[in-house]
Amino acid sequence: AQSVSQHNHHVILSEAASLELGCNYSYGGTVNLFWYVQYPGQHLQLLLKYFSGDPLVKGIKGFEAEFIKSKFSFNLRKPSVQWSDTAEYFCASNPMDTGRRALTFGSGTRLQVQP
Amino acid sequence: DTGVSQDPRHKITKRGQNVTFRCDPISEHNRLYWYRQTLGQGPEFLTYFQNEAQLEKSRLLSDRFSAERPKGSFSTLEIQRTEQGDSAMYLCASSLARGGSVADTQYFGPGTRLTVL
Repeated sequence: AQSVSQHNHHVILSEAASLELGCNYSYGGTVNLFWYVQYPGQHLQLLLKYFSGDPLVKGIKGFEAEFIKSKFSFNLRKPSVQWSDTAEYFCASNPMDTGRRALTFGSGTRLQVQP
Repeated sequence: DTGVSQDPRHKITKRGQNVTFRCDPISEHNRLYWYRQTLGQGPEFLTYFQNEAQLEKSRLLSDRFSAERPKGSFSTLEIQRTEQGDSAMYLCASSLARGGSVADTQYFGPGTRLTVL
């Protein structure tokens, strides 16, 4: 079974610091990749997605992610975080070549931005 | 665009009781998904519908769980004879996929938090 790993469970940063959250997936074929964010008290929202094409994907609120196929990675980055970025971040994947539509999620990274 | 809605938002029940949750997808979305999320974990897939057909089920979906989407619009998830281990957030998501598209985006609802006493 495929899996998604997020090795950083809890990250604490000061405002204006740079952010990089790791995500590794296990599926060896072609995948769709996603980052979702869950702000306190809110539901999961899509931050960005990768289907094909340019491996550097830009999302909302200044976030970007880079797909590196050789490393099975899809790390999330932001050059300068804000207090409002405090949230839980989930990486997810689904295979494109199996017919399965289910998303496999990582366990999430809780980001705390201190003012 | 009103988003995915779920009802109820919270449900407390006693062990052994049956519960039913409802999900209304984004209008015209033809795919609907159910996930379960426990504390400290990411969502885990349960099942998915394309229109009214249930096309995929996780092994997490035991015999006590059943999901329907009778007219290809809203969906219900029923849990029979609830157990304490069923306590979780139950999430619904929907997507719009044309043909056999493999590149659709799932949009999530607020979830139903189930507590089994």
